Amino acid sequence: DGGITQSPKYLFRKEGQNVTLSCEQNLNHDAMYWYRQDPGQGLRLIYYSQIVNDFQKGDIAEGYSVSREKKESFPLTVTSAQKNPTAFYLCASSTAGLPHFGDGTRLSIL
Amino acid sequence: AQSVTQPDIHITVSEGASLELRCNYSYGATPYLFWYVQSPGQGLQLLLKYFSGDTLVQGIKGFEAEFKRSQSSFNLRKPSVHWSDAAEYFCAVRSSNTGNQFYFGTGTSLTVIP
Repeated sequence: DGGITQSPKYLFRKEGQNVTLSCEQNLNHDAMYWYRQDPGQGLRLIYYSQIVNDFQKGDIAEGYSVSREKKESFPLTVTSAQKNPTAFYLCASSTAGLPHFGDGTRLSIL
Repeated sequence: AQSVTQPDIHITVSEGASLELRCNYSYGATPYLFWYVQSPGQGLQLLLKYFSGDTLVQGIKGFEAEFKRSQSSFNLRKPSVHWSDAAEYFCAVRSSNTGNQFYFGTGTSLTVIP
């Protein structure tokens, strides 16, 4: 079945470490997005990519980095510069203006 | 700047009662509007969308929403709520003049009392 796969479902990070969250889609969508979700704050856009080898910062890009080397993949790296990384991270892809979401990755700090 | 407001943080209804969740948006052109539902620890599932045409749209699970341009609103309704409807609900708008970004409201948490 077509869809968006985020892995892992749960991720733990030690202080000072970078971690990478995976997002893969087999929907042949051009656009992909990363959102951060915190209680009471809804979804906030971290980065988005409209096409391979191109991406733009969203509203809260500081402390994060992304790459888009393949259409199917849009990994998010949470760097040590992100001081409060504990959150639920959602990846999405879209075509014809309709976003589809993965099941999310919950990142926690040890 | 585009924005989406969901004024109700939390709503409690009795099973079988009707439901209306409010959503207001700020956007210059005709927006693309969405309602999503999220169960704990899960991703977002699309309930319904409005792109153009009939302003009353039907979605899955018996939900409907009405686009009112004059009020900049896109409220979600259900005539009779089931216990399984308890979840977090998000309204979203798509912007065509900022790289097709999607803007989300802060969500409304729905509790259903038996």
